[in-house]
Amino acid sequence: QVQLQESGPGLVKPSQTLSLTCIVSGASISSRSYYWSWIRQPAGKGLEWIGRVYPSANTDYNPSLKSRVTILVDTSKNHFSLKLSSVTAADTAVYFCAGYGDVYSYRSLDVWGKGTTVTVSS
Amino acid sequence: QSALTQPPSVSGSPGQSVTISCTGTSSDFLNYNRVSWYQQPPGTAPKLMIYEVSYRPSGVPDRFSGSKSGNTASLTISGLQAEDEADYYCSSYTPNSTVFGGGTKLTVL
Repeated sequence: QVQLQESGPGLVKPSQTLSLTCIVSGASISSRSYYWSWIRQPAGKGLEWIGRVYPSANTDYNPSLKSRVTILVDTSKNHFSLKLSSVTAADTAVYFCAGYGDVYSYRSLDVWGKGTTVTVSS
Repeated sequence: QSALTQPPSVSGSPGQSVTISCTGTSSDFLNYNRVSWYQQPPGTAPKLMIYEVSYRPSGVPDRFSGSKSGNTASLTISGLQAEDEADYYCSSYTPNSTVFGGGTKLTVL
């Protein structure tokens, strides 16, 4: 059973870079069983897709965040990461990592981490 | 602004049926059978309930069903139970992105 766990600082200062890691267990991150993704949710608001990374390391990003986002895969540590630069208070949210499974033709997010809260504040 | 529009809230009594709609503002988003639905109880991560418009993952009760007509996808929950109270999100997969609807809060009266 695939499990995901987000980790990273809970507090980031404005203008700095938010960095989060998603540790994958139960599957090899380099296999073709999953594509990997980040989603965020400001308090009391809806889900916002941030982007996804393929086993090839190619990526797709939300156009509204594309200039500030980088998603990378680290096969040696079996994890993938999110970097969001030049953060502001508007980036305060719960950040989820998730996976698109091959069982669902890579079109649905069938595995999710529990989420981690990141606050942007000085 | 989401490209997928959902009603902010719906409600129903136990045993009743409710339907949540998801309307695409662009034909690109709902042009293919790539619609999913997620359930998110308060304080938890979303859970996949419906994929490819109308298919249920293993373990999801058959009280949950999905459909699509034109630019509108729908999630119907029949035989409402108290445990169904949650936020529900539609989403659409495209070759370059995934888009979520704004979410619908289901209240079981």
